[in-house]
Amino acid sequence: DTAVSQTPKYLVTQMGNDKSIKCEQNLGHDTMYWYKQDSKKFLKIMFSYNNKELIINETVPNRFSPKSPDKAHLNLHINSLELGDSAVYFCASSQDTRNNQPQHFGDGTRLSIL
Amino acid sequence: EDQVTQSPEALRLQEGESSSLNCSYTVSGLRGLFWYRQDPGKGPEFLFTLYSAGEEKEKERLKATLTKKESFLHITAPKPEDSATYLCAVQAGGGSYIPTFGRGTSLIVHP
Repeated sequence: DTAVSQTPKYLVTQMGNDKSIKCEQNLGHDTMYWYKQDSKKFLKIMFSYNNKELIINETVPNRFSPKSPDKAHLNLHINSLELGDSAVYFCASSQDTRNNQPQHFGDGTRLSIL
Repeated sequence: EDQVTQSPEALRLQEGESSSLNCSYTVSGLRGLFWYRQDPGKGPEFLFTLYSAGEEKEKERLKATLTKKESFLHITAPKPEDSATYLCAVQAGGGSYIPTFGRGTSLIVHP
């Protein structure tokens, strides 16, 4: 049973296109996240949702738009893709927004912009 | 600003050769320090949470310790399957529940 699943695993596309990444968690968690991991393995928070509401929105271009149809799903839509968007995007979830809650990560979506 | 620095960046060990990974942090009011393991092509996998200085946690060949300024992940008699990137993350006080991650230590254990 996969706890946090992302699709697709790989995404190769042209500059200027629009694409979406989907994430689902079956852990019953209230809080979900999107992270970007660069080539040097640094994990940078992009967004966090709690019970379908946007809580954290870091300095991310407005070409990135998250959507949470319910608390088990958090999707990421990216408009007008740029070369610098190439990275691995991780979805994660945690029980809630209380302190000391570990995060559970999906296996990432590897986005390559040609 | 919260900072998390992991060292070394990369570590190569022979099977059975014990060593330690370091995670130094500067945060205002530590709420929790997390260790994760990340295998190539996979997401980080949670290992431990440490809450206060002096605390220790163990899991198989791994032991995590915490002081007021740093955490160590000790690996005793490592095996090749321990090869992975180990990430440290800290959660500070002040209301934010988002942890700050370090850049990780890439560990390779040779048979």
